[in-house]
Amino acid sequence: AAGVIQSPRHLIKEKRETATLKCYPIPRHDTVYWYQQGPGQDPQFLISFYEKMQSDKGSIPDRFSAQQFSDYHSELNMSSLELGDSALYFCASSLGTTSAEETQYFGPGTRLLVL
Amino acid sequence: RKEVEQDPGPFNVPEGATVAFNCTYSNSASQSFFWYRQDCRKEPKLLMSVYSSGNEDGRFTAQLNRASQYISLLIRDSKLSDSATYLCVVNAPGTYKYIFGTGTRLKVLA
Repeated sequence: AAGVIQSPRHLIKEKRETATLKCYPIPRHDTVYWYQQGPGQDPQFLISFYEKMQSDKGSIPDRFSAQQFSDYHSELNMSSLELGDSALYFCASSLGTTSAEETQYFGPGTRLLVL
Repeated sequence: RKEVEQDPGPFNVPEGATVAFNCTYSNSASQSFFWYRQDCRKEPKLLMSVYSSGNEDGRFTAQLNRASQYISLLIRDSKLSDSATYLCVVNAPGTYKYIFGTGTRLKVLA
């Protein structure tokens, strides 16, 4: 079965650079979620989109922005990168937002290293 | 205090053992509960959803106790391949975002 696709899988950036992470949800899934997992930490919710509109916002820095496009893929844009942004970034998708459809399925993640 | 708490372990158990993990959550309004497993440097993978009185899937049984605000995961006849971190996940009430526990590490030993 098709899964969530994330690209790139690995990314190395310098401080103060920008990065764009992409997420392609499971076909027919209309909700995407972004999470950040630092070394030895649990995943922390950043932001989510339902039907191309922001639905929830978590601990996302102002330097980050995200959007969901008409084909339901999503991009996380990260500017003025800091060393502390080094982490695994997961995207998850779900079929909808009713209780029966909300189970989230995670992509393989993008490993970002900021030097 | 974290909203979702788990014993980080590690739990080191021999093959064939039965092991149980507990997880407590602080917001009584939470409605959805899940167990995910995460292998090192990989994505969380759904193990079980836990609704109302709990459910069973093969060697795995999850229970929900709303009164005490905890969920549990029981693994019977542990296999080497069960070695992973088990993440307790609770939805933030009124939203669809997940709140993760810190995870419980399980090592099944030959």
